[in-house]
Amino acid sequence: EAAVTQSPRNKVTVTGGNVTLSCRQTNSHNYMYWYRQDTGHGLRLIHYSYGAGNLQIGDVPDGYKATRTTQEDFFLLLELASPSQTSLYFCAGRDGDTEVFFGKGTRLTVV
Amino acid sequence: GDSVTQTEGQVALSEEDFLTIHCNYSASGYPALFWYVQYPGEGPQFLFRASRDKEKGSSRGFEATYDKGTTSFHLRKASVQESDSAVYYCALGETGNTGKLIFGLGTTLQVQP
Repeated sequence: EAAVTQSPRNKVTVTGGNVTLSCRQTNSHNYMYWYRQDTGHGLRLIHYSYGAGNLQIGDVPDGYKATRTTQEDFFLLLELASPSQTSLYFCAGRDGDTEVFFGKGTRLTVV
Repeated sequence: GDSVTQTEGQVALSEEDFLTIHCNYSASGYPALFWYVQYPGEGPQFLFRASRDKEKGSSRGFEATYDKGTTSFHLRKASVQESDSAVYYCALGETGNTGKLIFGLGTTLQVQP
């Protein structure tokens, strides 16, 4: 079965800090996604990618960078973290029009 | 752009009640439509999908029928259990082969024993 693994599972950083969230998938999914989940807003797409070296802008990209270094690895970068980026972040992988497999999430707190 | 609307933010039922969660979409063509379920402390999990008009998707007693005419994909279950308490998300795959997956805001289902 496909596996999407996120690390760390929890992270606390200070305002202005530099944070990298990691995601690795083991099923060679073409598409990988980063979502944030907030009460009242559901799942909002930050960035996504359809292969190594590719990056597509999502719906809430401000303050975030992302990089897909290999087919398996997709990173989300917050270079100047702000309290408004306190959220639960999910990575996901998908092939074409099939189901999306989500990781267990990373809870980020910016103090 | 494409969008998904879930009418109910929260639904409270008793065990063995009938469940309907409404999902309407806005998109051109025939986008793939999905239902996901999220239990506390976990990521969303795929329930089922449909991609053609009148196609029915189903899993674990839940079902939904793709209706192009009313642009809907309502989730139904005949008899809910306490263990069905979770957040349910309707989603669509953006048309044009962009790979983008768009989610509704989610519906929290609470089932009382």
